[in-house]
Amino acid sequence: KNEVEQSPQNLTAQEGEFITINCSYSVGISALHWLQQHPGGGIVSLFMLSSGKKKHGRLIATINIQEKHSSLHITASHPRDSAVYICAVVSSRNNDMRFGAGTRLTVKP
Amino acid sequence: NAGVTQTPKFQVLKTGQSMTLQCAQDMNHNSMYWYRQDPGMGLRLIYYSASEGTTDKGEVPNGYNVSRLNKREFSLRLESAAPSQTSVYFCANRDRGRSYGYTFGSGTRLTVV
Repeated sequence: KNEVEQSPQNLTAQEGEFITINCSYSVGISALHWLQQHPGGGIVSLFMLSSGKKKHGRLIATINIQEKHSSLHITASHPRDSAVYICAVVSSRNNDMRFGAGTRLTVKP
Repeated sequence: NAGVTQTPKFQVLKTGQSMTLQCAQDMNHNSMYWYRQDPGMGLRLIYYSASEGTTDKGEVPNGYNVSRLNKREFSLRLESAAPSQTSVYFCANRDRGRSYGYTFGSGTRLTVV
């Protein structure tokens, strides 16, 4: 079983919908990252979380350390949000990074 | 611009051929990494380098070698390419300070036929 599990694997939404992508992990962590990968493009960091909630524009990331769970929300989704979203955790044991398989989001106009 | 530069962007190799993927950073970070990304799987660590002159194996090192001759550059070599090495490869560096944030290169799409 992967140490970092994301759901759903694929998500299709209509423009304007509220999106939620979930991430569960099974190891102790010091931080969790949400990354974005556009088709044919590189990977960029969206958020780094160690507790609570962060907001950047239409993106909101939350983490519940006790439940070992994080969510990425996108409000008022837009076709340009179409990308793969990757959850990654920093192990508190050795600072290694572990990645989820990603959630492919498609937002249709 | 500050970041991680990776070359080439695309490459097709025949089985048994060799090649080197180049990666350079201008962010002065000590840690650099090579990952491969395959469909349905998370990024998997091939090799990493905690500092100039040091390298360590990651999760999937077989079939690869790396070189970290200076702080700026970290190269990945395939000595005898195999179809199983068809993948997208990412180089990254990492801020080992407070954020532990990664900066990724733009990726190399490698096909071995």
